[in-house]
Amino acid sequence: DARVTQTPRHKVTEMGQEVTMRCQPILGHNTVFWYRQTMMQGLELLAYFRNRAPLDDSGMPKDRFSAEMPDATLATLKIQPSEPRDSAVYFCASGPDGPLLEQYFGPGTRLTVT
Amino acid sequence: GNSVTQMEGPVTLSEEAFLTINCTYTATGYPSLFWYVQYPGEGLQLLLKATKADDKGSNKGFEATYRKETTSFHLEKGSVQVSDSAVYFCALSTGFQKLVFGTGTRLLVSP
Repeated sequence: DARVTQTPRHKVTEMGQEVTMRCQPILGHNTVFWYRQTMMQGLELLAYFRNRAPLDDSGMPKDRFSAEMPDATLATLKIQPSEPRDSAVYFCASGPDGPLLEQYFGPGTRLTVT
Repeated sequence: GNSVTQMEGPVTLSEEAFLTINCTYTATGYPSLFWYVQYPGEGLQLLLKATKADDKGSNKGFEATYRKETTSFHLEKGSVQVSDSAVYFCALSTGFQKLVFGTGTRLLVSP
């Protein structure tokens, strides 16, 4: 049963530290999405990639966040420096190409910045 | 722009009750519509979808019909179970695989 995997599942860090979250999309999927979920803002799209190329990162604070896909099996989301307001659950999702537009979500990384 | 509006939660029901969660949308073009479910501590899972007007999506006893005339995609289930307790998200896409989500509706089912 193919799944999106994310590491770490939980991360506690101090303000100012760098945080790196990793995602392994489902093999064969060529679109990858990063979302952030908080109680106040709900689910927000941060960035998405198609065939490893960034298509839209307008939802991402550019000064501290960066997203990359070094290869087809790895997507990364970095925050440097981290701030308490970045505390949230970060989800990665992947999807196959085509019109059905399905997305498969990973279990998320729960980030706490103190 | 594209948007999705869901009813406020939580929705509290007893087991075996009938469920309706309302969802309406605003979109340019002809969107595809989705319901996702999020169980506690997990990511979202696709529950059902409909890609054109009058299509009915169904899965696990849940149903939703794409109503273009009322721009709605209400989620229904005839008899809910305690295990259905979760947060339900309505979403749409008009292409390029970018989903627009509603704010989510929490469902609590008691025995």
